Amino acid sequence: DAGVTQSPTHLIKTRGQQVTLRCSPISGHKSVSWYQQVLGQGPQFIFQYYEKEERGRGNFPDRFSARQFPNYSSELNVNALLLGDSALYLCASSFQDLAGGETQYFGPGTRLLVL
Amino acid sequence: GESVGLHLPTLSVQEGDNSIINCAYSNSASDYFIWYKQESGKGPQFIIDIRSNMDKRQGQRVTVLLNKTVKHLSLQIAATQPGDSAVYFCAENGAHYAGNMLTFGGGTRLMVKP
Repeated sequence: DAGVTQSPTHLIKTRGQQVTLRCSPISGHKSVSWYQQVLGQGPQFIFQYYEKEERGRGNFPDRFSARQFPNYSSELNVNALLLGDSALYLCASSFQDLAGGETQYFGPGTRLLVL
Repeated sequence: GESVGLHLPTLSVQEGDNSIINCAYSNSASDYFIWYKQESGKGPQFIIDIRSNMDKRQGQRVTVLLNKTVKHLSLQIAATQPGDSAVYFCAENGAHYAGNMLTFGGGTRLMVKP
């Protein structure tokens, strides 16, 4: 079975631009979460979506937004890019909402570089 | 806010020895913990998890211990192999407060010497 897939694998943007990252969860998983991982640190939670609804949001500015589609895939959008947005963006999926304690499985990530 | 952290940033062990990676958490209400392994250029890979109603759980060559009294979590890897070299993160499922998120520690780099 295919795991979590993300696209693109790498991306280079300039300050002020906008970026869209995509994620397809493991087949049968209904929850998708997004994390930002800056080099040398642990992942930081951005969003969780379950059944197309936002279920959680981390401490990130409104420049970050996301959505989940009927097929449970998801997009993360970042507007007005800053140099500090350079990071590995990870998508994780789980079968259910995390409220009950669900294991999240991660994709390979999209490495974003903002120049 | 609540956080999960690690004591040692780097651990170097000889191939074949046992490894122990430690983690402290601060949210006493946490009831679900996960260990992830992250190799260079890859996403975190699930290793093992444990719920707060347990104090020990074993997998293949790995054991997780949970001490709720001192809010401490550890990952033991038996007979460490070169393929175990990676960064290891403990994570807490923060379902008990806003966000339904995983809170990660800073990571411990495990280096296995041949």
